[in-house]
Amino acid sequence: DIVMTQSPDSLGVSLGERATINCRSSQSVLYNSNNLNYLTWFQQKPGQPPRLLFWWASDRESGVPDRFSGSGSGTNFTLTISSLQPEDVAVYYCQQYYKTPLTFGGGTRVDI
Amino acid sequence: QVQLQESGPGLVKPSETLSLTCTVTGDSINSYNYHLTWIRQPAGKGLEWLGRIYPNGRATYNASLNNRVTISADTAKNQFSLELRSVTAADTAVYFCARTGKPPRDYAFNVWGQGILVTVSS
Repeated sequence: DIVMTQSPDSLGVSLGERATINCRSSQSVLYNSNNLNYLTWFQQKPGQPPRLLFWWASDRESGVPDRFSGSGSGTNFTLTISSLQPEDVAVYYCQQYYKTPLTFGGGTRVDI
Repeated sequence: QVQLQESGPGLVKPSETLSLTCTVTGDSINSYNYHLTWIRQPAGKGLEWLGRIYPNGRATYNASLNNRVTISADTAKNQFSLELRSVTAADTAVYFCARTGKPPRDYAFNVWGQGILVTVSS
């Protein structure tokens, strides 16, 4: 199985400051034939299902504010919130879609 | 707008079978080769992929479940279902159904149900 490791486990950030979440996969999730990283990011607030933020590691879902960005390739990925807003308090998960079983990172809790 | 809704018992006895259904509205499950998926989340913990089924009936499961899981689809009812056999307290979780989108979101879960809490207890 591909193990997804997120760091840190939790993150306290002041309003307006940058939050950076890292995700590492135990093997590459870059599919060479199409040069796409099979890596998605989700945001989850209490009592809600996860919300898709990015697919292909860096393609932003519609409705996601542009203060969110996704980057990385191969085995190392980053989710950045450039200027944290109160509504960004949540747990963030990365997930690989490269091969089954699909696996998620352990989550990173972002607080103010 | 497509919506997913889980339904089923909220309480299951140990050793019995957990059965849940996901009803899809706003789109036909066989209008595209969607990945119809079940994911669970124990309270306060992370997400675990249980398995998926394509509209043609081909299914893939997480081997960590030791062959206890079956996912099926009923295109006539626009539903897909989860069966988890021989449950224990460790299977207590919120169960989500989810679906991938059309390209370029064909490998991303862009639609989720609200989730249903299933407790395993006698």
